[in-house]
Amino acid sequence: SQQGEEDPQALSIQEGENATMNCSYKTSINNLQWYRQNSGRGLVHLILIRSNEREKHSGRLRVTLDTSKKSSSLLITASRAADTASYFCATSQRGSTLGRLYFGRGTQLTVWP
Amino acid sequence: NAGVTQTPKFQVLKTGQSMTLQCAQDMNHNSMYWYRQDPGMGLRLIYYSASEGTTDKGEVPNGYNVSRLNKREFSLRLESAAPSQTSVYFCASSEPGQGAGEAFFGQGTRLTVV
Repeated sequence: SQQGEEDPQALSIQEGENATMNCSYKTSINNLQWYRQNSGRGLVHLILIRSNEREKHSGRLRVTLDTSKKSSSLLITASRAADTASYFCATSQRGSTLGRLYFGRGTQLTVWP
Repeated sequence: NAGVTQTPKFQVLKTGQSMTLQCAQDMNHNSMYWYRQDPGMGLRLIYYSASEGTTDKGEVPNGYNVSRLNKREFSLRLESAAPSQTSVYFCASSEPGQGAGEAFFGQGTRLTVV
């Protein structure tokens, strides 16, 4: 399976700290996406970065993409307890015309008040 | 705007029983997907439909069938449920552009097969 792999599997930090999660993948991509999943809920899209982009921001989120290393990172600045969730990266494989996404196994982020 | 709606939210089946999971989206997306999520496994694609009238197998299609009823609706059927199909099932839709677009997910169906 050509899925992304997140690292670390679990991350525990205090409120106000920054949280960094990494994603590695194996194939050439069209884009890479990050999703968030609160416990017992569906996934929610956070940000999409295209293969020709290197960095993207959305509020407290910063995503970087290094296609030479086939890796991406998600930085959440000034974390809040409400950021506690699982975070998944998903890749859109180059050559795929069907909109298919390949998901990693996720990083469980816990932010303590 | 409801987005992606899945029914039911919870279901308990006995081994060998059949059931259909329903999914509908109101965003006029062409592509729809069924995933299953198991602890430590992330999301695995069961079936997808790139457009109305087409369906294709994903990573784990065995034991499942799908129907793309129209552009809005994409159902997943378990013909003879097995305990290995105990999982959380998610339906999603998206509008592909340059690669996969942003996917919108339903709230999930928690299925237990006993």
